[in-house]
Amino acid sequence: GENVEQHPSTLSVQEGDSAVIKCTYSDSASNYFPWYKQELGKRPQLIIDIRSNVGEKKDQRIAVTLNKTAKHFSLHITETQPEDSAVYFCAALSQAAGNKLTFGGGTRVLVKP
Amino acid sequence: DAGVIQSPRHEVTEMGQEVTLRCKPISGHNSLFWYRQTMMRGLELLIYFNNNVPIDDSGMPEDRFSAKMPNASFSTLKIQPSEPRDSAVYFCASSRLSRGLGDEQFFGPGTRLTVL
Repeated sequence: GENVEQHPSTLSVQEGDSAVIKCTYSDSASNYFPWYKQELGKRPQLIIDIRSNVGEKKDQRIAVTLNKTAKHFSLHITETQPEDSAVYFCAALSQAAGNKLTFGGGTRVLVKP
Repeated sequence: DAGVIQSPRHEVTEMGQEVTLRCKPISGHNSLFWYRQTMMRGLELLIYFNNNVPIDDSGMPEDRFSAKMPNASFSTLKIQPSEPRDSAVYFCASSRLSRGLGDEQFFGPGTRLTVL
Protein backbone atom coordinates (compact mmCIF):
# COMPACT_ATOMS: atom_id res chain seq x y z
CA GLY A 1 0.00 0.00 0.00
CA GLU A 2 0.85 3.67 -0.05
CA ASN A 3 3.38 5.09 2.43
CA VAL A 4 3.78 8.84 2.97
CA GLU A 5 6.78 10.27 4.81
CA GLN A 6 6.72 13.89 6.00
CA HIS A 7 9.59 16.11 7.15
CA PRO A 8 10.35 17.90 9.36
CA SER A 9 8.18 16.86 12.27
CA THR A 10 8.54 20.30 13.85
CA LEU A 11 9.43 23.64 12.30
CA SER A 12 10.00 26.95 14.03
CA VAL A 13 10.25 30.12 11.92
CA GLN A 14 10.35 33.83 12.54
CA GLU A 15 7.32 35.81 11.45
CA GLY A 16 7.79 36.93 7.87
CA ASP A 17 10.13 34.08 6.95
CA SER A 18 9.22 31.16 4.69
CA ALA A 19 8.34 27.63 5.79
CA VAL A 20 8.83 24.52 3.67
CA ILE A 21 7.46 21.05 4.41
CA LYS A 22 8.40 18.05 2.29
CA CYS A 23 6.66 14.74 1.69
CA THR A 24 7.52 11.62 -0.24
CA TYR A 25 5.14 8.88 -1.35
CA SER A 26 5.67 5.33 -2.53
CA ASP A 27 2.73 4.45 -4.82
CA SER A 28 3.31 5.70 -8.36
CA ALA A 29 -0.45 5.36 -8.97
CA SER A 30 -1.21 8.16 -6.49
CA ASN A 31 -2.69 11.11 -8.34
CA TYR A 32 -4.08 13.55 -5.79
CA PHE A 33 -2.08 15.30 -3.07
CA PRO A 34 -3.90 17.49 -0.54
CA TRP A 35 -2.48 19.46 2.34
CA TYR A 36 -4.46 19.89 5.54
CA LYS A 37 -3.99 22.38 8.36
CA GLN A 38 -5.09 21.45 11.86
CA GLU A 39 -5.23 24.05 14.58
CA LEU A 40 -5.18 22.98 18.20
CA GLY A 41 -8.40 21.22 19.14
CA LYS A 42 -9.89 21.62 15.67
CA ARG A 43 -10.52 19.38 12.69
CA PRO A 44 -8.09 19.07 9.75
CA GLN A 45 -9.05 21.48 6.97
CA LEU A 46 -7.87 21.48 3.39
CA ILE A 47 -5.67 24.45 2.51
CA ILE A 48 -4.42 23.48 -0.94
CA ASP A 49 -4.24 20.43 -3.16
CA ILE A 50 -2.50 19.40 -6.35
CA ARG A 51 -3.27 16.75 -8.92
CA SER A 52 -0.82 14.62 -10.80
CA ASN A 53 -1.28 16.46 -14.09
CA VAL A 54 0.05 19.70 -12.56
CA GLY A 55 3.57 20.49 -11.32
CA GLU A 56 2.85 23.54 -9.22
CA LYS A 57 -0.08 25.39 -7.72
CA LYS A 58 -0.25 28.65 -5.80
CA ASP A 59 -2.87 30.31 -3.64
CA GLN A 60 -1.80 33.64 -2.16
CA ARG A 61 1.00 32.86 0.35
CA ILE A 62 0.75 29.10 -0.08
CA ALA A 63 2.23 27.04 -2.90
CA VAL A 64 2.64 23.34 -3.53
CA THR A 65 5.02 21.62 -5.93
CA LEU A 66 4.91 18.06 -7.19
CA ASN A 67 7.71 15.98 -8.69
CA LYS A 68 6.11 12.78 -9.98
CA THR A 69 9.38 11.27 -11.12
CA ALA A 70 10.95 11.59 -7.69
CA LYS A 71 7.61 10.96 -5.95
CA HIS A 72 7.81 13.94 -3.68
CA PHE A 73 5.76 17.07 -3.09
CA SER A 74 6.29 20.15 -0.95
CA LEU A 75 4.31 22.90 0.75
CA HIS A 76 5.72 26.41 0.77
CA ILE A 77 4.35 29.15 3.00
CA THR A 78 5.75 32.62 2.39
CA GLU A 79 5.60 35.67 4.66
CA THR A 80 4.54 33.52 7.60
CA GLN A 81 2.21 34.98 10.21
CA PRO A 82 1.44 33.82 13.77
CA GLU A 83 -1.92 32.45 12.59
CA ASP A 84 -0.02 30.01 10.37
CA SER A 85 1.01 28.18 13.55
CA ALA A 86 -0.64 24.74 13.38
CA VAL A 87 0.01 21.13 12.45
CA TYR A 88 0.18 20.52 8.71
CA PHE A 89 -0.50 17.12 7.12
CA CYS A 90 0.32 16.04 3.61
CA ALA A 91 -1.56 13.14 2.03
CA ALA A 92 -1.63 11.06 -1.10
CA LEU A 93 -4.59 9.39 -2.76
CA SER A 94 -4.42 6.46 -5.12
CA GLN A 95 -7.47 5.86 -7.26
CA ALA A 96 -6.20 2.31 -7.56
CA ALA A 97 -6.62 2.03 -3.80
CA GLY A 98 -10.25 3.07 -4.09
CA ASN A 99 -10.22 6.71 -3.06
CA LYS A 100 -8.19 6.10 0.11
CA LEU A 101 -6.06 8.95 1.50
CA THR A 102 -2.78 8.10 3.22
CA PHE A 103 -1.52 10.83 5.54
CA GLY A 104 1.99 11.83 6.49
CA GLY A 105 2.93 12.08 10.16
CA GLY A 106 2.37 15.83 10.36
CA THR A 107 4.58 18.90 10.86
CA ARG A 108 4.07 21.17 13.83
CA VAL A 109 4.79 24.72 12.66
CA LEU A 110 5.42 27.50 15.13
CA VAL A 111 5.66 31.06 13.84
CA LYS A 112 7.37 33.30 16.36
CA PRO A 113 6.30 36.95 16.37
CA ASP B 1 -24.65 22.86 4.09
CA ALA B 2 -23.99 21.98 7.73
CA GLY B 3 -20.88 19.99 6.91
CA VAL B 4 -20.07 16.60 8.38
CA ILE B 5 -21.89 16.14 11.68
CA GLN B 6 -20.57 13.95 14.47
CA SER B 7 -22.02 13.04 17.82
CA PRO B 8 -21.28 13.05 20.62
CA ARG B 9 -18.52 15.67 20.66
CA HIS B 10 -17.15 14.33 23.91
CA GLU B 11 -17.56 10.93 25.51
CA VAL B 12 -16.21 9.75 28.83
CA THR B 13 -16.82 6.14 29.70
CA GLU B 14 -15.47 3.38 31.84
CA MET B 15 -13.43 0.46 30.62
CA GLY B 16 -15.62 -2.37 29.41
CA GLN B 17 -18.52 -0.19 28.35
CA GLU B 18 -19.86 -0.03 24.83
CA VAL B 19 -19.25 3.19 22.92
CA THR B 20 -21.11 4.27 19.78
CA LEU B 21 -19.94 7.19 17.68
CA ARG B 22 -22.19 8.65 15.02
CA CYS B 23 -21.62 10.47 11.77
CA LYS B 24 -23.77 12.19 9.19
CA PRO B 25 -21.85 12.90 5.95
CA ILE B 26 -22.39 15.88 3.68
CA SER B 27 -25.42 15.37 1.48
CA GLY B 28 -24.41 14.08 -1.94
CA HIS B 29 -21.10 12.65 -0.75
CA ASN B 30 -20.82 8.92 -1.31
CA SER B 31 -17.52 8.12 0.39
CA LEU B 32 -17.27 8.08 4.18
CA PHE B 33 -14.14 7.63 6.26
CA TRP B 34 -13.48 6.97 9.96
CA TYR B 35 -10.12 8.15 11.35
CA ARG B 36 -8.53 7.96 14.78
CA GLN B 37 -6.02 10.58 15.94
CA THR B 38 -3.58 10.24 18.84
CA MET B 39 -0.32 11.96 19.66
CA MET B 40 1.58 8.70 19.38
CA ARG B 41 0.11 7.31 16.16
CA GLY B 42 -1.03 10.44 14.33
CA LEU B 43 -4.02 10.30 11.99
CA GLU B 44 -4.98 6.70 11.17
CA LEU B 45 -7.65 5.55 8.72
CA LEU B 46 -9.79 2.90 10.40
CA ILE B 47 -12.33 2.07 7.70
CA TYR B 48 -14.01 3.64 4.72
CA PHE B 49 -17.20 3.13 2.75
CA ASN B 50 -18.08 3.82 -0.87
CA ASN B 51 -21.81 3.98 -1.59
CA ASN B 52 -22.52 2.53 1.89
CA VAL B 53 -20.33 -0.52 1.25
CA PRO B 54 -17.22 -1.09 3.41
CA ILE B 55 -14.21 -1.09 1.11
CA ASP B 56 -11.19 -1.28 3.38
CA ASP B 57 -11.30 -2.07 7.09
CA SER B 58 -7.65 -3.00 7.40
CA GLY B 59 -7.12 -0.11 9.81
CA MET B 60 -9.63 -1.37 12.35
CA PRO B 61 -7.42 -2.27 15.31
CA GLU B 62 -9.23 -5.40 16.45
CA ASP B 63 -12.57 -7.16 16.67
CA ARG B 64 -13.75 -4.83 19.40
CA PHE B 65 -14.21 -2.20 16.69
CA SER B 66 -17.05 -2.36 14.19
CA ALA B 67 -18.57 0.14 11.77
CA LYS B 68 -21.79 0.26 9.81
CA MET B 69 -23.35 2.48 7.21
CA PRO B 70 -27.02 1.51 6.90
CA ASN B 71 -27.80 4.36 4.50
CA ALA B 72 -26.17 7.23 2.67
CA SER B 73 -26.72 9.72 5.49
CA PHE B 74 -25.62 7.83 8.59
CA SER B 75 -22.72 5.77 9.89
CA THR B 76 -21.70 4.41 13.28
CA LEU B 77 -18.42 3.30 14.78
CA LYS B 78 -18.83 1.02 17.75
CA ILE B 79 -16.27 -0.11 20.33
CA GLN B 80 -17.29 -3.02 22.53
CA PRO B 81 -15.81 -3.45 25.07
CA SER B 82 -13.87 -0.20 25.30
CA GLU B 83 -10.37 -0.01 26.78
CA PRO B 84 -8.26 2.94 28.02
CA ARG B 85 -5.98 2.65 24.98
CA ASP B 86 -8.97 3.49 22.78
CA SER B 87 -8.87 7.05 24.14
CA ALA B 88 -8.40 9.33 21.12
CA VAL B 89 -10.16 11.79 18.87
CA TYR B 90 -12.26 10.01 16.26
CA PHE B 91 -12.94 11.91 13.04
CA CYS B 92 -15.46 11.13 10.37
CA ALA B 93 -14.88 12.55 6.89
CA SER B 94 -16.80 12.44 3.63
CA SER B 95 -16.08 13.10 -0.03
CA ARG B 96 -17.51 12.57 -3.46
CA LEU B 97 -16.52 9.34 -5.14
CA SER B 98 -15.32 10.22 -8.57
CA ARG B 99 -14.28 8.10 -11.50
CA GLY B 100 -11.85 10.82 -12.37
CA LEU B 101 -9.29 12.36 -10.07
CA GLY B 102 -9.48 12.45 -6.27
CA ASP B 103 -11.78 14.75 -4.34
CA GLU B 104 -11.41 16.74 -1.13
CA GLN B 105 -12.31 15.01 2.11
CA PHE B 106 -14.27 17.15 4.54
CA PHE B 107 -13.75 16.35 8.19
CA GLY B 108 -16.30 16.49 10.95
CA PRO B 109 -15.52 18.18 14.28
CA GLY B 110 -14.47 14.88 15.86
CA THR B 111 -15.47 12.96 18.97
CA ARG B 112 -13.03 13.10 21.86
CA LEU B 113 -13.27 9.72 23.59
CA THR B 114 -11.86 9.12 27.05
CA VAL B 115 -11.98 5.61 28.47
CA LEU B 116 -11.20 5.47 32.18
